[in-house]
Amino acid sequence: AQKITQTQPGMFVQEKEAVTLDCTYDTSDPSYGLFWYKQPSSGEMIFLIYQGSYDQQNATEGRYSLNFQKARKSANLVISASQLGDSAMYFCAMREGIQGAQKLVFGQGTRLTINP
Amino acid sequence: NAGVMQNPRHLVRRRGQEARLRCSPMKGHSHVYWYRQLPEEGLKFMVYLQKENIIDESGMPKERFSAEFPKEGPSILRIQQVVRGDSAAYFCASSPLPLQQSSYNEQFFGPGTRLTVL
Repeated sequence: AQKITQTQPGMFVQEKEAVTLDCTYDTSDPSYGLFWYKQPSSGEMIFLIYQGSYDQQNATEGRYSLNFQKARKSANLVISASQLGDSAMYFCAMREGIQGAQKLVFGQGTRLTINP
Repeated sequence: NAGVMQNPRHLVRRRGQEARLRCSPMKGHSHVYWYRQLPEEGLKFMVYLQKENIIDESGMPKERFSAEFPKEGPSILRIQQVVRGDSAAYFCASSPLPLQQSSYNEQFFGPGTRLTVL
C-alpha cells in the first residue's frame, strides 16, 4: 500500500502566485514525521520543511509553510509568492520504521513549473 | 563543515561490470542511509548502516548489491554484474543520530551518483 501519495504529477503556476502541493500519508503510528524536499534539475535533494505529528502549529520556513491536517492525514506544502527558481520536483516523505531503525519513505513527486 | 560527499558524481559501466559508489558522511555523523531513484520516481530506501554495522537492508536487492560502512573511510555501495535496470541515481544521506519517532532529526543528503549501465 502506498504510504505517501502525491496526486499531482505536474503543476504550472504563474510567477508570484501561491501554490499548494498535495501530500497524503498513511500510518498507524501515533508518532511520525513528515518532510518536504526540493529536487532541482541539477539533481540534489534540498530539505525544505519538517512537521512532527505532535507539533501544535503548522511548520513554516520563509516562503514555505506546511498545511498539516492530521485527521485527514494530509501535509500539503504551500509556497507563497512563487519564483522562477522554484521550478523543480518536490517530494513529500515520511519517517517510518521501528525505533532506532527508521528511514524515509518518499512519494512519487510533483513537478512544479513556474511561468514568467 | 563540508556536507555529505559522494563520488563519483557520474559513473558509466557496461553490463556485467562492477560499480562502486562512495559516500563520506558529514563530520560527526555515524549513520548512513542509501536510497535509489529511478527516472521520474521518488527515492526508495535501500540500506541503513552505522559504523561497521548494517542496521536495516530491507530495501536492498538480495543479489549483486552490498553495502558497508567501515570504521575508517567512506561507506561503499557495491553493485556486482550490473544490468541496465541498475541505471539510476543513488543518494546517500547521513545523520548524527538515528531517525527517531519522537524528535525532529533531519537526514542530510549528498549530491547523488548517477549510474548509467550501457
